[in-house]
Amino acid sequence: GENVEQHPSTLSVQEGDSAVIKCTYSDSASNYFPWYKQELGKGPQLIIDIRSNVGEKKDQRIAVTLNKTAKHFSLHITETQPEDSAVYFCAAQLLNKFYFGSGTKLNVKP
Amino acid sequence: NAGVTQTPKFQVLKTGQSMTLQCAQDMNHEYMSWYRQDPGMGLRLIHYSVGAGITDQGEVPNGYNVSRSTTEDFPLRLLSAAPSQTSVYFCASSYGRDTGELFFGEGSRLTVL
Repeated sequence: GENVEQHPSTLSVQEGDSAVIKCTYSDSASNYFPWYKQELGKGPQLIIDIRSNVGEKKDQRIAVTLNKTAKHFSLHITETQPEDSAVYFCAAQLLNKFYFGSGTKLNVKP
Repeated sequence: NAGVTQTPKFQVLKTGQSMTLQCAQDMNHEYMSWYRQDPGMGLRLIHYSVGAGITDQGEVPNGYNVSRSTTEDFPLRLLSAAPSQTSVYFCASSYGRDTGELFFGEGSRLTVL
């Protein structure tokens, strides 16, 4: 199966700074890479995703980059705000299965 | 649309008891799946289904059964609960296996004593 590793496990930034979370995957056949945000007591929600035929995707303050050769992808959040504080998960889809990273707890200090 | 609905939200079981976690979606999604979330381990796939009558195993299927008799419902059964099954369980659905976005329920917190 697929193995997804995510770093860092915790990240603390000052409001307005940028935050970067990195993930690696092991199986080159994985073709879809979503990022989910989970707030306390809630289910994860998709914030951005990228497919294997695309190198970068941006949606306002959030961007994702994918390097297929190195098998890694990253989430970039610019101009962070306190409401960005949550746990973020990366994932990789291989055939019918999704494999998730272990999560990053982001704390944005006002 | 209610989205993905999970019941119950909280449950305490004794070792050896059985129970069913319910999951229903009203989005006509073909793909449904169950995950367990443990501290520091992210979400791990238990079982999934690509349509009514079709189910398959995920990463951690042992101790769990599923069935998919309708498009809307995908219950998860614990036949003989063990303390190792203490976790938060999430059901998620997607329009189709290649569509991507998973829609998650609010989760069910299970404690096995």
